[in-house]
Amino acid sequence: DAGVIQSPRHEVTEMGQEVTLRCKPISGHNSLFWYRQTMMRGLELLIYFNNNVPIDDSGMPEDRFSAKMPNASFSTLKIQPSEPRDSAVYFCASTSSGNTIYFGEGSWLTVV
Amino acid sequence: GENVEQHPSTLSVQEGDSAVIKCTYSDSASNYFPWYKQELGKGPQLIIDIRSNVGEKKDQRIAVTLNKTAKHFSLHITETQPEDSAVYFCAASKGYSTLTFGKGTMLLVSP
Repeated sequence: DAGVIQSPRHEVTEMGQEVTLRCKPISGHNSLFWYRQTMMRGLELLIYFNNNVPIDDSGMPEDRFSAKMPNASFSTLKIQPSEPRDSAVYFCASTSSGNTIYFGEGSWLTVV
Repeated sequence: GENVEQHPSTLSVQEGDSAVIKCTYSDSASNYFPWYKQELGKGPQLIIDIRSNVGEKKDQRIAVTLNKTAKHFSLHITETQPEDSAVYFCAASKGYSTLTFGKGTMLLVSP
């Protein structure tokens, strides 16, 4: 099994630039989650989709963050404009209804 | 919303000793409690989970206990090995979606 695939694995960008993180969930999974991990706040749920529809985006920090899921096999998390405080590891995870949530390896973002 | 507290934040044990990590949750409606292990540079991986209709579950050297009345659950690792060294996260949810995680416990097993 390929697992949840995220790209890029590492990104260093300058403040003000647009950042796009990508995720391919496990085939057949119908729910997709974006989490952010920092030392201070731990693992925080940003948004989750069910059958490609955003269900809960209450964790999205502010309007600079947006997420899309145009089809069942692809999702993006975009930050525009990026700020140093956005530096974190961003995880995508997926599950089929009622089963284990599987995480990707994460995208390590540094905004300088 | 749900709030999950996890203790301790760091735990050092000698190889062969047992390790216990404890979590409390706030929402009495939560009914699913997974534990994840995160190794350096990797994503969290599920190691064991428990549902609210079960008080204890074991898988080889790992066990989880749940006390719904007190709203706390614990991870027990026996005969620890150096490869158990990692960050462990507890989580709680109603059903399987929208997990709320604890802040994590860094476990260090010394040979």
